[in-house]
Amino acid sequence: GESVGLHLPTLSVQEGDNSIINCAYSNSASDYFIWYKQESGKGPQFIIDIRSNMDKRQGQRVTVLLNKTVKHLSLQIAATQPGDSAVYFCAENGSETSYDKVIFGPGTSLSVIP
Amino acid sequence: DVKVTQSSRYLVKRTGEKVFLECVQDMDHENMFWYRQDPGLGLRLIYFSYDVKMKEKGDIPEGYSVSREKKERFSLILESASTNQTSMYLCASSLWQGGHEQYFGPGTRLTVT
Repeated sequence: GESVGLHLPTLSVQEGDNSIINCAYSNSASDYFIWYKQESGKGPQFIIDIRSNMDKRQGQRVTVLLNKTVKHLSLQIAATQPGDSAVYFCAENGSETSYDKVIFGPGTSLSVIP
Repeated sequence: DVKVTQSSRYLVKRTGEKVFLECVQDMDHENMFWYRQDPGLGLRLIYFSYDVKMKEKGDIPEGYSVSREKKERFSLILESASTNQTSMYLCASSLWQGGHEQYFGPGTRLTVT
């Protein structure tokens, strides 16, 4: 069935190193992808998005890569900081022109070691 | 600054009680959503609404109903709370067309005893 999943449920990274969080999706019709960050006790917060006509998008310290050939999405965080410790979700949306069900992955917990 | 607020951060109810969870957004968004979040299961969509008085079932609507009488407010109703409805409930909103991020509220931690 259609699903979005993450390869690793937990990730520990040394402060200052780069983090890479991966996500696999199975719906080839999805054309919009989002990464969310959820800190403890808070709701998910938008980090960055990418549309299917792109393969890379950069934000402030974050980069999202999309590989449609293997249906893979990744979030790279440069110079990881303690404040980056959170659960990260990828999400896919099947249509750009009308609302389709958004599918969330199960999340990866990122821990930053000081 | 965009904002989604939920009426309670923590709620404790007894089995069989009727429970109302309220959500308000100030962004004039058409779409509003209710999710529940459980460890290991991620976010699961209960109901969503794309317009006033309109509602659509999500993945797990059983045991829940919703109400959207005004554009900015979306209510989740547990007609008769059960212990398996103990969970974190998250409300979100987004612009009408697909391809837009959702803005989430802080969540309501509901415990049914």
